[in-house]
Amino acid sequence: GAGVSQSPSNKVTEKGKDVELRCDPISGHTALYWYRQRLGQGLEFLIYFQGNSAPDKSGLPSDRFSAERTGESVSTLTIQRTQQEDSAVYLCASSLNRGDYGYTFGSGTRLTVV
Amino acid sequence: DQQVKQNSPSLSVQEGRISILNCDYTNSMFDYFLWYKKYPAEGPTFLISISSIKDKNEDGRFTVFLNKSAKHLSLHIVPSQPGDSAVYFCAAGGYQKVTFGTGTKLQVIP
Repeated sequence: GAGVSQSPSNKVTEKGKDVELRCDPISGHTALYWYRQRLGQGLEFLIYFQGNSAPDKSGLPSDRFSAERTGESVSTLTIQRTQQEDSAVYLCASSLNRGDYGYTFGSGTRLTVV
Repeated sequence: DQQVKQNSPSLSVQEGRISILNCDYTNSMFDYFLWYKKYPAEGPTFLISISSIKDKNEDGRFTVFLNKSAKHLSLHIVPSQPGDSAVYFCAAGGYQKVTFGTGTKLQVIP
């Protein structure tokens, strides 16, 4: 597609429920990144994919967080047993290759855990 | 630890004047530096970048300066326009990912 698409744009969930966030990167972009931004804070790195593999998962906050990418395209970020501190905007970005730092970001998914 | 720091959370500038946004970093292994701009309810958009082998890069009204010895970079916008009002993120590239600062909210007053 023309840009990075994320869905849903907004998600309100009850504490303890699982949520799945989706990212469609730009076609042909082999690298895909997940970041999150909590209220009043900067962008926090979560995980990045090169193709279908995830060389760097160092930013995932806990084992409740997981991500996968299939077919060098769509990626899903899953948060199990959500907690209130998971409330944030989750941003996905893609770039042509790893090491290409001019990322194109999606508009994000605003997650609110109540 | 915060490897990329933007110590000014906000900045107000009159239209037509220069806006200067500052950023400090701690990791000398970063080899590429970028500025992103973010409007509310949108994702950040890439604005301008600079390689660690340069000390200045200019693109229209936007200039980024890099002082490697001080581990400091700045973004100059001149002249500032109301449409420049946004949050600006400083970022540093290395280890095949980008590390972002906390952002500076710029308000350009007409």
